[in-house]
Amino acid sequence: DAGVIQSPRHEVTEMGQEVTLRCKPISGHNSLFWYRQTMMRGLELLIYFNNNVPIDDSGMPEDRFSAKMPNASFSTLKIQPSEPRDSAVYFCASVGQTVNEQYFGPGTRLTVT
Amino acid sequence: DQQVKQNSPSLSVQEGRISILNCDYTNSMFDYFLWYKKYPAEGPTFLISISSIKDKNEDGRFTVFLNKSAKHLSLHIVPSQPGDSAVYFCAASDGYGNKLVFGAGTILRVKS
Repeated sequence: DAGVIQSPRHEVTEMGQEVTLRCKPISGHNSLFWYRQTMMRGLELLIYFNNNVPIDDSGMPEDRFSAKMPNASFSTLKIQPSEPRDSAVYFCASVGQTVNEQYFGPGTRLTVT
Repeated sequence: DQQVKQNSPSLSVQEGRISILNCDYTNSMFDYFLWYKKYPAEGPTFLISISSIKDKNEDGRFTVFLNKSAKHLSLHIVPSQPGDSAVYFCAASDGYGNKLVFGAGTILRVKS
Protein backbone atom coordinates (compact mmCIF):
# COMPACT_ATOMS: atom_id res chain seq x y z
CA ASP A 1 0.00 0.00 0.00
CA ALA A 2 1.25 3.52 -0.77
CA GLY A 3 0.25 4.84 2.63
CA VAL A 4 -1.63 8.07 3.20
CA ILE A 5 -1.15 10.43 0.26
CA GLN A 6 -1.30 14.20 0.59
CA SER A 7 -1.08 16.90 -2.04
CA PRO A 8 0.42 19.32 -2.59
CA ARG A 9 3.52 18.81 -0.46
CA HIS A 10 4.22 22.53 -0.43
CA GLU A 11 1.90 25.45 -1.01
CA VAL A 12 2.81 29.12 -1.05
CA THR A 13 -0.03 31.58 -1.46
CA GLU A 14 -0.91 35.16 -0.79
CA MET A 15 -3.17 36.32 1.97
CA GLY A 16 -6.81 36.24 0.92
CA GLN A 17 -6.44 33.40 -1.53
CA GLU A 18 -8.29 30.11 -1.26
CA VAL A 19 -6.21 27.06 -0.38
CA THR A 20 -7.29 23.43 -0.85
CA LEU A 21 -5.34 20.57 0.68
CA ARG A 22 -6.03 17.00 -0.42
CA CYS A 23 -5.75 13.62 1.23
CA LYS A 24 -6.16 10.02 0.12
CA PRO A 25 -6.34 7.66 3.11
CA ILE A 26 -5.11 4.09 3.19
CA SER A 27 -7.53 1.79 1.40
CA GLY A 28 -9.88 0.11 3.84
CA HIS A 29 -9.37 2.63 6.62
CA ASN A 30 -12.64 4.08 7.83
CA SER A 31 -11.51 7.06 9.92
CA LEU A 32 -9.67 10.13 8.67
CA PHE A 33 -8.12 12.93 10.68
CA TRP A 34 -6.80 16.40 9.76
CA TYR A 35 -4.10 17.90 11.98
CA ARG A 36 -2.14 21.13 12.01
CA GLN A 37 1.40 21.35 13.37
CA THR A 38 2.91 24.60 14.56
CA MET A 39 5.91 25.34 16.74
CA MET A 40 3.76 26.93 19.42
CA ARG A 41 0.92 24.42 19.63
CA GLY A 42 2.41 21.17 18.40
CA LEU A 43 -0.02 18.77 16.69
CA GLU A 44 -3.62 19.96 16.87
CA LEU A 45 -6.57 17.90 15.69
CA LEU A 46 -8.75 20.00 13.40
CA ILE A 47 -11.48 17.56 12.40
CA TYR A 48 -12.06 13.85 11.98
CA PHE A 49 -14.38 11.71 9.91
CA ASN A 50 -15.76 8.25 10.55
CA ASN A 51 -17.17 6.42 7.52
CA ASN A 52 -17.05 9.73 5.60
CA VAL A 53 -19.16 11.53 8.22
CA PRO A 54 -17.65 14.44 10.21
CA ILE A 55 -17.65 13.42 13.87
CA ASP A 56 -15.78 16.18 15.67
CA ASP A 57 -14.86 19.54 14.14
CA SER A 58 -14.28 21.34 17.42
CA GLY A 59 -10.66 21.90 16.49
CA MET A 60 -11.43 23.84 13.32
CA PRO A 61 -10.17 27.31 14.23
CA GLU A 62 -12.61 29.49 12.31
CA ASP A 63 -15.31 29.48 9.70
CA ARG A 64 -12.61 30.11 7.15
CA PHE A 65 -11.73 26.42 7.51
CA SER A 66 -13.90 23.69 6.04
CA ALA A 67 -13.37 19.99 5.35
CA LYS A 68 -15.18 17.43 3.26
CA MET A 69 -14.98 13.72 2.66
CA PRO A 70 -17.14 12.93 -0.38
CA ASN A 71 -16.08 9.27 -0.43
CA ALA A 72 -13.92 6.77 1.42
CA SER A 73 -10.84 7.51 -0.62
CA PHE A 74 -10.68 11.30 -0.67
CA SER A 75 -10.85 14.28 1.65
CA THR A 76 -10.18 18.00 1.32
CA LEU A 77 -9.36 20.75 3.78
CA LYS A 78 -10.12 24.23 2.48
CA ILE A 79 -9.09 27.61 3.85
CA GLN A 80 -10.90 30.61 2.41
CA PRO A 81 -9.65 33.29 2.74
CA SER A 82 -6.19 32.31 3.91
CA GLU A 83 -4.21 34.41 6.39
CA PRO A 84 -0.50 34.46 7.33
CA ARG A 85 -1.28 32.86 10.72
CA ASP A 86 -2.55 29.78 8.86
CA SER A 87 1.04 29.02 7.87
CA ALA A 88 1.80 25.55 9.26
CA VAL A 89 2.24 21.94 8.27
CA TYR A 90 -1.08 20.16 7.77
CA PHE A 91 -1.23 16.41 8.21
CA CYS A 92 -3.84 13.88 7.27
CA ALA A 93 -4.02 10.53 9.05
CA SER A 94 -6.19 7.45 8.73
CA VAL A 95 -6.95 4.45 10.88
CA GLY A 96 -8.79 1.20 10.24
CA GLN A 97 -11.23 -0.65 12.41
CA THR A 98 -8.76 -3.20 13.66
CA VAL A 99 -5.90 -1.02 14.80
CA ASN A 100 -5.58 1.89 17.19
CA GLU A 101 -2.58 3.51 15.59
CA GLN A 102 -3.12 6.33 13.15
CA TYR A 103 -1.07 6.38 9.96
CA PHE A 104 0.04 9.83 8.89
CA GLY A 105 0.68 11.28 5.47
CA PRO A 106 3.83 13.28 4.71
CA GLY A 107 2.07 16.59 5.31
CA THR A 108 1.51 19.78 3.33
CA ARG A 109 3.64 22.77 4.27
CA LEU A 110 1.50 25.86 3.80
CA THR A 111 2.99 29.32 3.68
CA VAL A 112 0.67 32.32 3.44
CA THR A 113 2.43 35.60 2.69
CA ASP B 1 -5.85 23.50 28.28
CA GLN B 2 -3.22 20.95 27.41
CA GLN B 3 -4.39 17.48 28.34
CA VAL B 4 -1.11 15.92 27.28
CA LYS B 5 2.09 17.66 28.22
CA GLN B 6 5.67 17.07 27.23
CA ASN B 7 7.53 19.52 29.39
CA SER B 8 10.97 19.02 27.88
CA PRO B 9 11.20 20.68 24.45
CA SER B 10 14.51 19.00 23.75
CA LEU B 11 16.89 16.32 25.00
CA SER B 12 20.48 15.59 24.06
CA VAL B 13 22.01 12.16 24.73
CA GLN B 14 25.29 10.47 23.90
CA GLU B 15 25.18 7.49 21.56
CA GLY B 16 24.89 4.23 23.49
CA ARG B 17 23.32 5.81 26.55
CA ILE B 18 19.69 5.73 27.62
CA SER B 19 17.19 8.32 26.39
CA ILE B 20 14.20 8.98 28.61
CA LEU B 21 11.32 11.03 27.26
CA ASN B 22 8.53 12.01 29.60
CA CYS B 23 4.86 12.76 29.19
CA ASP B 24 2.13 13.79 31.63
CA TYR B 25 -1.61 13.78 31.12
CA THR B 26 -4.55 15.24 33.00
CA ASN B 27 -7.59 13.39 31.65
CA SER B 28 -8.29 10.27 33.71
CA MET B 29 -10.49 8.93 30.89
CA PHE B 30 -7.45 8.28 28.72
CA ASP B 31 -6.92 4.54 28.48
CA TYR B 32 -4.51 4.11 25.59
CA PHE B 33 -1.22 5.85 25.04
CA LEU B 34 1.08 6.01 22.05
CA TRP B 35 4.46 7.36 21.08
CA TYR B 36 5.15 8.65 17.60
CA LYS B 37 8.45 9.56 16.02
CA LYS B 38 8.79 12.28 13.41
CA TYR B 39 11.69 13.05 11.08
CA PRO B 40 11.91 16.41 9.27
CA ALA B 41 9.69 16.67 6.17
CA GLU B 42 7.88 13.44 7.06
CA GLY B 43 4.68 12.60 8.87
CA PRO B 44 4.75 11.11 12.37
CA THR B 45 5.15 7.34 12.45
CA PHE B 46 3.83 5.05 15.15
CA LEU B 47 6.51 3.75 17.50
CA ILE B 48 4.99 1.97 20.47
CA SER B 49 1.82 1.97 22.54
CA ILE B 50 0.48 0.87 25.90
CA SER B 51 -2.96 0.14 27.26
CA SER B 52 -3.96 1.41 30.67
CA ILE B 53 -4.26 -2.16 31.92
CA LYS B 54 -0.49 -2.51 31.66
CA ASP B 55 2.37 -0.62 33.23
CA LYS B 56 5.08 -1.59 30.78
CA ASN B 57 5.41 -2.49 27.13
CA GLU B 58 8.66 -3.37 25.44
CA ASP B 59 9.63 -3.55 21.78
CA GLY B 60 13.30 -4.03 21.09
CA ARG B 61 15.23 -0.97 22.24
CA PHE B 62 12.01 0.87 23.10
CA THR B 63 10.10 0.53 26.36
CA VAL B 64 7.12 2.55 27.50
CA PHE B 65 6.25 2.79 31.17
CA LEU B 66 2.87 3.92 32.47
CA ASN B 67 2.21 5.20 35.99
CA LYS B 68 -1.55 5.72 36.16
CA SER B 69 -1.62 7.08 39.68
CA ALA B 70 0.81 9.80 38.66
CA LYS B 71 -0.75 10.20 35.19
CA HIS B 72 2.71 9.88 33.75
CA LEU B 73 4.32 7.85 31.04
CA SER B 74 7.84 7.65 29.76
CA LEU B 75 9.65 6.26 26.75
CA HIS B 76 13.04 4.65 27.27
CA ILE B 77 15.40 4.08 24.36
CA VAL B 78 18.35 1.81 25.13
CA PRO B 79 20.90 2.03 23.66
CA SER B 80 20.33 5.32 21.87
CA GLN B 81 21.53 5.57 18.28
CA PRO B 82 22.12 8.62 16.06
CA GLY B 83 19.23 7.48 13.85
CA ASP B 84 16.91 7.96 16.83
CA SER B 85 17.36 11.73 16.52
CA ALA B 86 13.86 12.99 15.78
CA VAL B 87 10.85 14.65 17.37
CA TYR B 88 8.92 12.34 19.68
CA PHE B 89 5.22 12.91 20.31
CA CYS B 90 3.25 11.42 23.14
CA ALA B 91 -0.45 10.84 22.41
CA ALA B 92 -3.47 9.63 24.37
CA SER B 93 -6.88 8.26 23.52
CA ASP B 94 -10.04 7.67 25.50
CA GLY B 95 -11.41 4.97 23.22
CA TYR B 96 -10.61 2.47 20.52
CA GLY B 97 -9.90 4.21 17.24
CA ASN B 98 -10.99 7.56 18.66
CA LYS B 99 -9.18 10.79 18.23
CA LEU B 100 -5.75 11.21 19.72
CA VAL B 101 -4.60 14.12 21.84
CA PHE B 102 -0.95 14.90 21.21
CA GLY B 103 1.69 16.54 23.31
CA ALA B 104 3.83 19.32 21.86
CA GLY B 105 6.74 16.99 21.19
CA THR B 106 10.32 16.57 22.41
CA ILE B 107 13.29 16.94 20.09
CA LEU B 108 15.80 14.15 20.76
CA ARG B 109 19.38 14.55 19.58
CA VAL B 110 21.67 11.56 19.89
CA LYS B 111 25.31 12.58 19.55
CA SER B 112 27.88 10.18 18.15
